Amino acid sequence: QSALTQTASVSGSPGQSITISCTGTSSDVGGYNYVSWYQQHPGKAPKLMIYDVTKRPSGVSNRFSGSKSGNTASLTISGLQAEDEADYYCSSYTSSSTLVFGGGTKLTVL
Amino acid sequence: EVQLVESGGGLVKPGGPLRLSCAASGFTFSNAWMNWVRQAPGKGLEWVGRIKSKTDGGATDYAAPVKGRFTISRDDSKNTLYLQMNSLKTEDTAVYFCTTVLRWATLPRWGQGTLVTVSS
Repeated sequence: QSALTQTASVSGSPGQSITISCTGTSSDVGGYNYVSWYQQHPGKAPKLMIYDVTKRPSGVSNRFSGSKSGNTASLTISGLQAEDEADYYCSSYTSSSTLVFGGGTKLTVL
Repeated sequence: EVQLVESGGGLVKPGGPLRLSCAASGFTFSNAWMNWVRQAPGKGLEWVGRIKSKTDGGATDYAAPVKGRFTISRDDSKNTLYLQMNSLKTEDTAVYFCTTVLRWATLPRWGQGTLVTVSS
């Protein structure tokens, strides 16, 4: 199972919006609504930000939103803040009953 | 409060075994599906494997790179998850995280991780 494809890096200024994409296949992203997004700050454990494509866990800011079209899922962060600077990973359930992650996207807040 | 605490990491020689543990608290461990996820130094996240709750059959699934070498098990009486790693390779060097699992693919809670270094 190949890793999902994410842009290596993205940047934005405070207050702006950015979108991170996550491309898979019909055997993972396109075939199931089991896409999640995780935020990871350096030296810390990942934190769940979005699950089931669009759902936000309790306590996660509504500045974070998720969507999916075909084999590509997206995470949008609006009103960028300095604390949003982190690595972001998507993941998806697969037709092999496994889980696959994206390669990660480094978000820089300018 | 949900807590997951991994232990057992360390330095091991190629070909050797190592067993990781993950002590769980703050939730009904016996009802939980659990995962192991790893992260090589400076690299991204990689799913290692999953174990279902015993009430859901207790089955395990593994990623291709570890299948046949790693075994996930659980002791519900001790609220503890295990990862038995055999025939370790240098490419298994990583921080290993245990996580809870919801509906197959959502990982809501993560431990702090334990570092495994495979080197001669």
